[in-house]
Amino acid sequence: AQTVTQSQPEMSVQEAETVTLSCTYDTSESDYYLFWYKQPPSRQMILVIRQEAYKQQNATENRFSVNFQKAAKSFSLKISDSQLGDAAMYFCAYRSFRGGADGLTFGKGTHLIIQP
Amino acid sequence: DGGITQSPKYLFRKEGQNVTLSCEQNLNHDAMYWYRQDPGQGLRLIYYSQIVNDFQKGDIAEGYSVSREKKESFPLTVTSAQKNPTAFYLCASNLGGSQALPQYFGPGTRLTVL
Repeated sequence: AQTVTQSQPEMSVQEAETVTLSCTYDTSESDYYLFWYKQPPSRQMILVIRQEAYKQQNATENRFSVNFQKAAKSFSLKISDSQLGDAAMYFCAYRSFRGGADGLTFGKGTHLIIQP
Repeated sequence: DGGITQSPKYLFRKEGQNVTLSCEQNLNHDAMYWYRQDPGQGLRLIYYSQIVNDFQKGDIAEGYSVSREKKESFPLTVTSAQKNPTAFYLCASNLGGSQALPQYFGPGTRLTVL
């Protein structure tokens, strides 16, 4: 079974600064997908970014980018120019490449605080 | 607007009662999922369904049941056999055909056992 670990229960960053959230995972599979989801106080889960394991290029979405290190099984999220609206819980998630519509395996989350 | 709706937003249940949480989507997605979220925890998979009239147990299916009679609907019943049902429940869906496709989530239902 796969596991996802987020070692930072809480992170704090000044507005307009850059912050990196850590995520490691354990799997014996070679093909898989990784996701970062954001959960603001409304508790609505919002997809931030995704990465296919077979792609060496790191995914980027505007101010959000990832550092995917497949050998190290690491998938960190970098948020540039932090904004007050970025304050939320952030969850890293893993999904197997295998068919069968298995769900996502989530980490326990990192609470991101943005200091004005 | 396309999306996933969950109702009710808040639900209170007395011990020993069954209760059903609704999940509806108009995204024409094939696959639907139920997750449970506890404080300080990530989401855990309860049940999922790829197609109508078919569903599989996730990691924590004990004490729960589901049905998938229509493509748009995937209700979750929390039975009296669930020992600690107080939690936040999230429904999700995605198009079938590829594990790369992201899951989209509903707004959730907060269940409290009195």
